[in-house]
Amino acid sequence: DAKTTQPTSMDCAEGRAANLPCNHSTISGNEYVYWYRQIHSQGPQYIIHGLKNNETNEMASLIITEDRKSSTLILPHATLRDTAVYYCIVRPNLNFGNEKLTFGTGTRLTIIP
Amino acid sequence: EPEVTQTPSHQVTQMGQEVILRCVPISNHLYFYWYRQILGQKVEFLVSFYNNEISEKSEIFDDQFSVERPDGSNFTLKIRSTKLEDSAMYFCASRKTGLVDTQYFGPGTRLTVL
Repeated sequence: DAKTTQPTSMDCAEGRAANLPCNHSTISGNEYVYWYRQIHSQGPQYIIHGLKNNETNEMASLIITEDRKSSTLILPHATLRDTAVYYCIVRPNLNFGNEKLTFGTGTRLTIIP
Repeated sequence: EPEVTQTPSHQVTQMGQEVILRCVPISNHLYFYWYRQILGQKVEFLVSFYNNEISEKSEIFDDQFSVERPDGSNFTLKIRSTKLEDSAMYFCASRKTGLVDTQYFGPGTRLTVL
């Protein structure tokens, strides 16, 4: 699976948009970008995923560059409950075989009141 | 919204004892996983399970570990003889199927080996 690079930590003011970058310069054509977050020691929570188009759901937006070498997760109006470690993961989307998720160290996002 | 559930939330055991961690995946999901996270470290893949057999396992998943789907709803992880270094959070995950699908995680079981 392609390696991802994320900043170790970020702060964001409450109510502002939080923009979390991820570099995945070795991503290959069949690999999707997934974002999860982990609040304290809870189970990782799925946020969003995409292949090459920008995606939006009720939690966040995912912007993927045209060359797919990087992406940005956007939390449009951050709240204190968004304080968590955010993981950017790339993996092939196959219906068989290697489906494991490989977690890095992620970005620790702190929302400041 | 359906969720993955895990029991117990916290298990304390003595070194050398057997433990069974239980998970109830989301009901129409077909792929099941166990991950663990030692305190302060990354979430690590242990094993994936589909169609009543292991599809992949990591180096961590040695002969001391086993998984089972004993009935139509539960998915268990057994550690035969626990070691101090097995102390960790253990997360179960499941996914439905299909090309664009994702894994959903349970809240975890904190295993403490004394």
